[in-house]
Amino acid sequence: KAGVTQTPRYLIKTRGQQVTLSCSPISGHRSVSWYQQTPGQGLQFLFEYFSETQRNKGNFPGRFSGRQFSNSRSEMNVSTLELGDSALYLCASRLGQGPYEQYFGPGTRLTVT
Amino acid sequence: QQQVKQSPQSLIVQKGGISIINCAYENTAFDYFPWYQQFPGKGPALLIAIRPDVSEKKEGRFTISFNKSAKQFSLHIMDSQPGDSATYFCAASIGTSGSRLTFGEGTQLTVNP
Repeated sequence: KAGVTQTPRYLIKTRGQQVTLSCSPISGHRSVSWYQQTPGQGLQFLFEYFSETQRNKGNFPGRFSGRQFSNSRSEMNVSTLELGDSALYLCASRLGQGPYEQYFGPGTRLTVT
Repeated sequence: QQQVKQSPQSLIVQKGGISIINCAYENTAFDYFPWYQQFPGKGPALLIAIRPDVSEKKEGRFTISFNKSAKQFSLHIMDSQPGDSATYFCAASIGTSGSRLTFGEGTQLTVNP
C-alpha cells in the first residue's frame, strides 16, 4: 500500500499571503490529522477530520483551517501568513475513529519570508 | 496537564549498546503511548506502542516499559546500531480519540560505529 502523500513538499510564501497544503491518506484510511512541527514548539496537533467533519481541534488561531473531501483527501489552509508559521506541516492518517495507529506523511516544509 | 516530558534531549551511544529514552506524563486519562522515529527530511514513523494494561512490550530490539503508578514510560533500544541514529518522540493520547497525540520534545540519538 502506498503511504501518506503530501503536496507540495516545499513551499516558500511571503508574509500576508495564504497557502493550501494537500494530503492523501493511505488507501482505506478515513481519518486525517494535521500537525505542525517547529524546532521551538515541537510537534503540535492542529486538527482531525473524519467523514468530512472536523472532529478535534488544537490550540491554533482561526487562520488555520482545513477540510476533508468525500474520498478522505484533506487540505489545510493558512491565511495571512506570519513568519512564525514557518514549519514542517505533517499529515497523518488512520483507519478511522477509535484506537487506531496514526501513520505520518513526509510533510510539507513551509517557509514564510 | 496535557504535557509529556521527554529526556534526555540528546543521547550518544556506542554500537551494540543500549539506548534508553524516558517520558513522563501528568494526565491520567492518557491511555495510548506510541513511540515515533524520525529521520531528517522524513515524517515520524510509528515504532512501537503500548496501552496501560501491560507493563512491557517488546518488538525486536525495541522495548517499551510502562509504569502506570509513576506515570512514566520508556523506550529501550537493545544492540543499538548506527542506522538507529534518528530523533525519537514519545507521545500519548486519550481513549478512543486516539488521534490527538501529545508529543514529547524529542531525543536525538546518535549511535557511533
